[in-house]
This record gives sequence, structure tokens and C-alpha cells, in this order.
Amino acid sequence: GAGVSQTPSNKVTEKGKYVELRCDPISGHTALYWYRQSLGQGPEFLIYFQGTGAADDSGLPNDRFFAVRPEGSVSTLKIQRTERGDSAVYLCASSSGPRAGETYNEQFFGPGTRLTVL
Amino acid sequence: AQSVTQPDIHITVSEGASLELRCNYSYGATPYLFWYVQSPGQGLQLLLKYFSGDTLVQGIKGFEAEFKRSQSSFNLRKPSVHWSDAAEYFCAVGARGNEKLTFGTGTRLTIIP
Repeated sequence: GAGVSQTPSNKVTEKGKYVELRCDPISGHTALYWYRQSLGQGPEFLIYFQGTGAADDSGLPNDRFFAVRPEGSVSTLKIQRTERGDSAVYLCASSSGPRAGETYNEQFFGPGTRLTVL
Repeated sequence: AQSVTQPDIHITVSEGASLELRCNYSYGATPYLFWYVQSPGQGLQLLLKYFSGDTLVQGIKGFEAEFKRSQSSFNLRKPSVHWSDAAEYFCAVGARGNEKLTFGTGTRLTIIP
């Protein structure tokens, strides 16, 4: 009955370093989403997985950002050559995914990972 | 492209008073509309949603929202706020076949005794 979990809860890194952020979705949820929430802003969509494949990565800001979900469960968001502007809270959400006849599947959000780039 | 505007950055209300948080959206077709609440250190929690049908929707924690197509609005209301309602509130828009949500910038709600 656990919700979406994200690790670490906080990550401090230096400019130029590589970071990985992990998301464990709700068991059985086939859809997984990453959002980024900068200070004073609402969450901004980054990428959406359906199963193992990225169905929509239109929100990734540049090629320093990459996400994987190799087994259709846990996902990792990877950021290369971090910049101070990458500092934000990274939110993960999961849902049961599209089903025939259903108009929407609620996205359940995790508590987020706060990334600080010094 | 879809967008959401929440014109009020911060609202302060007295406990027991009524509340209305404003949300305006921009979307070409019939939108899916949502209100989420975010408490410090907590994930976003869905309060209510609108897809179609009755334009007045009821949510959890005594909240309701009304969809007004003519005004492109989806305002959130509560008749009597409680101190525990203090949080950040986000309006979001989605669309059929488009799984991503577009959020507004949020309204921070402060409750005073």
C-alpha cells in the first residue's frame, strides 16, 4: 500500500557533476511521470513513460537530461554536467495508465527530491 | 498549447471564513481540469477533477470547483476554511490522449485565527 517514493529526498552537488534521482512508483502502475518544480513555480512536465518506453519526452530541457525505466517499474532521472539553474524539486508521479473507456487516470505524486547545485 | 493562470500568488483568510481561489485556463478543446494541494514536505494531492458533465464538482476535504466555459475558469471554493487548509494550491489542465499535466504557478493559502 506504499505510495510513490523518491530517493534521495535531498541532493546537494557541485556545478558540473552528474546526478541520478530515483523514483519507485506505486506497485502495478504502468505509467510514470517526471516533473520539475522550481522555486515559486508550479510543476513542469519533463517526461512520461508508459511501461519501459518514453511515450513523451517533450519536456526535457536539453540533452543533459535523460531518464530510463528499464524494467517498467523503477525510473531514474539522470542529469549530466549539472548547472545552478537545475536546482529545483524533481517530482515523480505514477498512474495505472490508459485503459479503454477511461478518460483519465489519476497521477499520484511522490514527495520529491530537492536538488541543489552549488 | 495549454496554459493555466492563477492570478493570486498569496491569499490570507480567517479560520471559518469562505475561500475562493481563481484559475483560468487556455486550451483549444474541452480540457480536463484539476486542483491539487501541496503541503510542506508532502507530495501533491488531488483535491478534485473535471472532465465533463455537471460543471460543479465536489472534492475531498469539503472543496468544490465550478467549470465556467464562457470565462475559461475553474475556481476552487470552500465555505469554511480550517487551519489545516493552509498549503499551496495548484490548478492544472490536461487533455484526452495527452498524459502530461500543465500546472499554474500556485496560490499560497495562509489561515489566521
